[in-house]
Amino acid sequence: AQSVTQLDSQVPVFEEAPVELRCNYSSSVSVYLFWYVQYPNQGLQLLLKYLSGSTLVKGINGFEAEFNKSQTSFHLRKPSVHISDTAEYFCAVKAGGSYIPTFGRGTSLIVHP
Amino acid sequence: DVKVTQSSRYLVKRTGEKVFLECVQDMDHENMFWYRQDPGLGLRLIYFSYDVKMKEKGDIPEGYSVSREKKERFSLILESASTNQTSMYLCASSFRDRGLAEAFFGQGTRLTVV
Repeated sequence: AQSVTQLDSQVPVFEEAPVELRCNYSSSVSVYLFWYVQYPNQGLQLLLKYLSGSTLVKGINGFEAEFNKSQTSFHLRKPSVHISDTAEYFCAVKAGGSYIPTFGRGTSLIVHP
Repeated sequence: DVKVTQSSRYLVKRTGEKVFLECVQDMDHENMFWYRQDPGLGLRLIYFSYDVKMKEKGDIPEGYSVSREKKERFSLILESASTNQTSMYLCASSFRDRGLAEAFFGQGTRLTVV
């Protein structure tokens, strides 16, 4: 079985500050990890994904995430956020051999001017 | 660009009505999914299909059924709509490669049952 925990339901931050959105997963087998973003009244779009290789993954819009196998984490970071980054962010995991991604409950990033 | 299109952005239906939510994808994906999104609960899988006419129940299938007669189209059916089915419904699709492929999502259908 696979599961995902997003540790913060809401993260408020000021514009141009750094941000980290936390994600922990559990799985008994190897995993593939994803971060999606959802802007208001829209579907989800892929920010970045970890499949194998380098543990630091770079995505769109200046986001990056680091896969840490020993801590079973895949935290999302951005060094300087913009107002337009205000959105809901979802971490997802697919265990090797599974067709189905399991999503976390989401973290609402709120960027204040 | 991959496109996943949901037939309606907003729907208002009455309790007891039979409701059809349609989803079409244009990337020849084998897998298609229906999720329900509620505040604080994230995305919960309702049904999944890995091929035409094939379906598997997800975490919350009660009160729902699905149909996949063609590869590109996956329909979600609320047999008798109830107010607790008021929610955002998201369709997604992906290639069938057991892990590597990300899911692509439609814009969502916000359903209100009154």
